[in-house]
Amino acid sequence: AQSVTQLDSQVPVFEEAPVELRCNYSSSVSVYLFWYVQYPNQGLQLLLKYLSGSTLVKGINGFEAEFNKSQTSFHLRKPSVHISDTAEYFCAVSDRGSQGNLIFGKGTKLSVKP
Amino acid sequence: EPEVTQTPSHQVTQMGQEVILRCVPISNHLYFYWYRQILGQKVEFLVSFYNNEISEKSEIFDDQFSVERPDGSNFTLKIRSTKLEDSAMYFCASRASGLAGGETQYFGPGTRLLVL
Repeated sequence: AQSVTQLDSQVPVFEEAPVELRCNYSSSVSVYLFWYVQYPNQGLQLLLKYLSGSTLVKGINGFEAEFNKSQTSFHLRKPSVHISDTAEYFCAVSDRGSQGNLIFGKGTKLSVKP
Repeated sequence: EPEVTQTPSHQVTQMGQEVILRCVPISNHLYFYWYRQILGQKVEFLVSFYNNEISEKSEIFDDQFSVERPDGSNFTLKIRSTKLEDSAMYFCASRASGLAGGETQYFGPGTRLLVL
């Protein structure tokens, strides 16, 4: 079975500051890794995903994440955040052999202040 | 851009009543999912559906739950006799065929269910 831990439930940052949202996972099988974002009153939108190959993955809105197999981590980063990045961010994993069922972390609320 | 839609956006019901949550997945997608998120908790997988049958389900998806694709466009989640603990946001998702667990799932905006 897989599990995902997002240690930070809330992350407040000032506009134009860098941010890192942490995600660690546990799995006995190979997994795919995802970051989803949820803006207020909207559904979940894919930011980026790691399937294979380069461990640094670039996504939409200037976000990137790095897969670290030895540390079982997939932290999300952005060098300079905007007010519009205020949202909840979910890390998720999927068993490569499954039908794609996603196992989510509890989410991190990013709050960008002017 | 195609999107997953869900109706209603909010539903309030009395304990013991049946509810049906509706989803219209993206038209050329073949795999369908329901997830739920209880307030303050993580998003949890309920069930996946492919080729007109359930392909996987979680422990949460007990006999009170059922899913159906009644026509070529809708995908529904029925809760037969709602309990207080069924109060949650329910998300529908769909994906095209392809790289199984690596294929992107597209989520609807959710239905917020409140059981009184």
